[in-house]
Amino acid sequence: SQQGEEDPQALSIQEGENATMNCSYKTSINNLQWYRQNSGRGLVHLILIRSNEREKHSGRLRVTLDTSKKSSSLLITASRAADTASYFCATDARVRPSGSRLTFGEGTQLTVNP
Amino acid sequence: EAQVTQNPRYLITVTGKKLTVTCSQNMNHEYMSWYRQDPGLGLRQIYYSMNVEVTDKGDVPEGYKVSRKEKRNFPLILESPSPNQTSLYFCASSLSWAHSGNTIYFGEGSWLTVV
Repeated sequence: SQQGEEDPQALSIQEGENATMNCSYKTSINNLQWYRQNSGRGLVHLILIRSNEREKHSGRLRVTLDTSKKSSSLLITASRAADTASYFCATDARVRPSGSRLTFGEGTQLTVNP
Repeated sequence: EAQVTQNPRYLITVTGKKLTVTCSQNMNHEYMSWYRQDPGLGLRQIYYSMNVEVTDKGDVPEGYKVSRKEKRNFPLILESPSPNQTSLYFCASSLSWAHSGNTIYFGEGSWLTVV
């Protein structure tokens, strides 16, 4: 099963509103990453938060991580129509004997209406 | 410009006809991987490679082969494609196998239809 599970599956908001997407995971992680995918295109890295961090900002993006609840949230403030895309969380977990592995969730489809 | 390049981008083929999807990266990355993306299932890893001549199975390797003879290339081979391999395929790379904290770079995707 997928390590990361996003919630909601789909979100539709008006331009200017904030969008919040959540991700839950099952095992211990090294870090958690968020990616964006425009329809039919490759994924683009947005932001990474390490397991010892609780919150991180990048422009209009704010990511939180609660390792006790095994969950993360991505907040996009003052959304724009151009933010319309699918957003994926990816958990980076240790793989024995060394190294790590990135596992993606199913994504949240965000639609921002002008 | 840092790139992961996949070819072909679009392909319709028939059941049983062997095909290869090529992937090349120009960032001297050690780690490369193939994913398939299907509605409701997200991205699932097919195979990955930690370095030249080092490959391993991901979550859904059945029906696929890979090779890593040189660092920049990581082709995905479908020896005998079947309709259930109709999907959107992504190649990805990152700096190292122990890539905790490394960004993954994705290609633009290859739409494959098997009829």
